[in-house]
Amino acid sequence: DSGVTQTPKHLITATGQRVTLRCSPRSGDLSVYWYQQSLDQGLQFLIQYYNGEERAKGNILERFSAQQFPDLHSELNLSSLELGDSALYFCASSVLGAVNEQFFGPGTRLTVL
Amino acid sequence: AQTVTQSQPEMSVQEAETVTLSCTYDTSESDYYLFWYKQPPSRQMILVIRQEAYKQQNATENRFSVNFQKAAKSFSLKISDSQLGDAAMYFCAATTSGTYKYIFGTGTRLKVLA
Repeated sequence: DSGVTQTPKHLITATGQRVTLRCSPRSGDLSVYWYQQSLDQGLQFLIQYYNGEERAKGNILERFSAQQFPDLHSELNLSSLELGDSALYFCASSVLGAVNEQFFGPGTRLTVL
Repeated sequence: AQTVTQSQPEMSVQEAETVTLSCTYDTSESDYYLFWYKQPPSRQMILVIRQEAYKQQNATENRFSVNFQKAAKSFSLKISDSQLGDAAMYFCAATTSGTYKYIFGTGTRLKVLA
């Protein structure tokens, strides 16, 4: 158990819908990262927050947005969902910046039908 | 731009034998960090080993060690005395202190044969 929690574990929805994925980092970790892993693919970095502020952006679609709240939990919002958005979405946290070890949550499996 | 390349989509090793997984990277930064992550069938991402670029000594964690060749931009993972529980996808990753972005390779699936 990494100490990072993600809800829900599974999510099934239809094209065109909007969903919110939630992540709670380990106690004391200020940085949160979001990744997308499509079937049998590597991890694509989406976005990073540090203490409530966006720190780095990767290949995140405009239909996706994220935020980190004052209690440091983070949410990833995915809208106008397409079949290709079906993937495993990971959240990771670390104490400070990127050079620290990232601890990964168990992931949220999103299926878009 | 930073890139990480894993050229071996799949590898097999006999139980108790040694296997080496390859990774090459490219970055123009001088301050960077390299990682190997393991993803078993449970899909949980687990850090295996980490290497700071400024350290010349290769990192070691029990049966796992790296061969860090800075000039060649190579970062391979050696697993000694392979165990059935080592069967997983292994991802190489890189980040720099300035970008805060992690770049992952496409992964190598390791099969351990009994």
